Amino acid sequence: DTGVSQNPRHKITKRGQNVTFRCDPISEHNRLYWYRQTLGQGPEFLTYFQNEAQLEKSRLLSDRFSAERPKGSFSTLEIQRTEQGDSAMYLCASSLGVLRGKDYGYTFGSGTRLTVV
Amino acid sequence: QKEVEQNSGPLSVPEGAIASLNCTYSDRGSQSFFWYRQYSGKSPELIMFIYSNGDKEDGRFTAQLNKASQYVSLLIRDSQPSDSATYLCAVSNAGGTSYGKLTFGQGTILTVHP
Repeated sequence: DTGVSQNPRHKITKRGQNVTFRCDPISEHNRLYWYRQTLGQGPEFLTYFQNEAQLEKSRLLSDRFSAERPKGSFSTLEIQRTEQGDSAMYLCASSLGVLRGKDYGYTFGSGTRLTVV
Repeated sequence: QKEVEQNSGPLSVPEGAIASLNCTYSDRGSQSFFWYRQYSGKSPELIMFIYSNGDKEDGRFTAQLNKASQYVSLLIRDSQPSDSATYLCAVSNAGGTSYGKLTFGQGTILTVHP
């Protein structure tokens, strides 16, 4: 498989529960990004990793959100004490980053759609 | 002011026509510019990228960049019903503090009717 893989594809959870999503990037990509997208909006940046280091985290991200990328391979995004406002599509993307000053963009996974009831 | 703004939609064009999608950005340090296509319920798919002022053509798609005006556009020639989707403009300020992070516009919904 040469694409970005995310699972689960769908998650329905009760408010207050914790959820964890997984992302497996393209193997040669050292950068991994998490975005959140709600209906009618573009993807909103959450955080990104270069290898295992988390280099940037959105100021919009509450303390209930945490992400890891152990060993610079797959990544997990955990949301604790979910709220109805967390309902969204969570997108993972990977990239080679920037080469000779040029950014070659992302490859997105299929996303995880979270519904908090 | 939003960092990346796209023309409000939805945009409806007849099959065979040219669809024109526009995007402006606020960060003058932006270096790389992308257009993604997103079908309903699917994830974004990269269709074009452009780095230099001017036009870049790829099949029926042409991306245009004017850094002085902070403006990016996407033209779709001979529009087909299969082009009906949301088009997302994304901007990277690679080389700055957010090295390689893309900021997206809100998207423009395009409908191509037969």
